[in-house]
Amino acid sequence: GENVEQHPSTLSVQEGDSAVIKCTYSDSASNYFPWYKQELGKRPQLIIDIRSNVGEKKDQRIAVTLNKTAKHFSLHITETQPEDSAVYFCAARALYSGGGADGLTFGKGTHLIIQP
Amino acid sequence: DTGVSQDPRHKITKRGQNVTFRCDPISEHNRLYWYRQTLGQGPEFLTYFQNEAQLEKSRLLSDRFSAERPKGSFSTLEIQRTEQGDSAMYLCASSSGTTPNLHFGPGTRLTVT
Repeated sequence: GENVEQHPSTLSVQEGDSAVIKCTYSDSASNYFPWYKQELGKRPQLIIDIRSNVGEKKDQRIAVTLNKTAKHFSLHITETQPEDSAVYFCAARALYSGGGADGLTFGKGTHLIIQP
Repeated sequence: DTGVSQDPRHKITKRGQNVTFRCDPISEHNRLYWYRQTLGQGPEFLTYFQNEAQLEKSRLLSDRFSAERPKGSFSTLEIQRTEQGDSAMYLCASSSGTTPNLHFGPGTRLTVT
């Protein structure tokens, strides 16, 4: 099955600086890579995702890059703000023709701390 | 609120007892997932339904665990003969057939004493 490694486990950055979180996956069949944000005591929420037919995707201050050859993908947050403080999870899975995400495999999470 | 709901939100039980959790997905979603999350870890996949059919089960789902989705709407997860190692947050999520985005519920926090 799929195995997703995520690092760092904790990342502390100054407000306004950029943050980068990296993940690697093992299953070459994986073609869908979402990122979830989980604030303390709350449910995980999707913030951005990427499919293997593109190498990069941006949404305002958030971007994700994918290197299929190396089997790694990264989350980039620019101009960090206090509300970005949370735990971020990467995940991977093979999507089939139906489009659903069956049994996503998650990384162990990165606790992002934004220092004022 | 038309999001995913779970009941109960918290459950404290003694070792050896059986517990059952309920998940109500977003009404138009035909796919339903159960995950387990322990402190400091990412969600771990347990099982997945498409409509009423259980299509995938993780090896984490021992024979003490059973899940159902009898009418393709709500789902239940039952844990028999609970053990202290079952203490965790049990998350339910749903998605439609056209997008892989998982919408998570608030979770049921299980504490086995």
